[in-house]
Amino acid sequence: DVKVTQSSRYLVKRTGEKVFLECVQDMDHENMFWYRQDPGLGLRLIYFSYDVKMKEKGDIPEGYSVSREKKERFSLILESASTNQTSMYLCASSASPNTEAFFGQGTRLTVV
Amino acid sequence: AQRVTQPEKLLSVFKGAPVELKCNYSYSGSPELFWYVQYSRQRLQLLLRHISRESIKGFTADLNKGETSFHLKKPFAQEEDSAMYYCALKTDSWGKLQFGAGTQVVVTP
Repeated sequence: DVKVTQSSRYLVKRTGEKVFLECVQDMDHENMFWYRQDPGLGLRLIYFSYDVKMKEKGDIPEGYSVSREKKERFSLILESASTNQTSMYLCASSASPNTEAFFGQGTRLTVV
Repeated sequence: AQRVTQPEKLLSVFKGAPVELKCNYSYSGSPELFWYVQYSRQRLQLLLRHISRESIKGFTADLNKGETSFHLKKPFAQEEDSAMYYCALKTDSWGKLQFGAGTQVVVTP
């Protein structure tokens, strides 16, 4: 069973804080993704990575950065959290572009 | 521009009734489409993809390129089908997905 694990289920941070969301997958998948999930908007891609140290912007990268130093770990960084970044964040991984994407359980981030 | 539209935010059906979730897409290339499902307190998971042409949990979906649609259907809804359903379009060779806004399905006894 593929496991995609996000380090926190719930986070509350203050405006201006630097926030790290961590995601680990245990199936040696090449591709990893960060989405945010908002009611009425569905899932929107923030960043994705197709290899270690490789990253590409998604549809809404502003205010975010990512890091992939090891194949199994993909981190999402909010350099200076703002209230409009309050959302559910989902990490996903896939073995290749033609295979199923597996999702983590999500991190609900609240920025106050 | 690629786009996925799910026109219904909420579908409420009775147990045993048919259910159809609509999905329309716009894409200039050859589309690959998926349905993902999220049950309460569970992670998002793949329900089915059009290229496999299989039925999962009684659900089917047919890609209609003429109408640019990929509607999800089930002839007899069950209470355990209550969930949020997302239609998704693969938009490039890396496997990035464009999701619709989602449809919440509530099946009442």
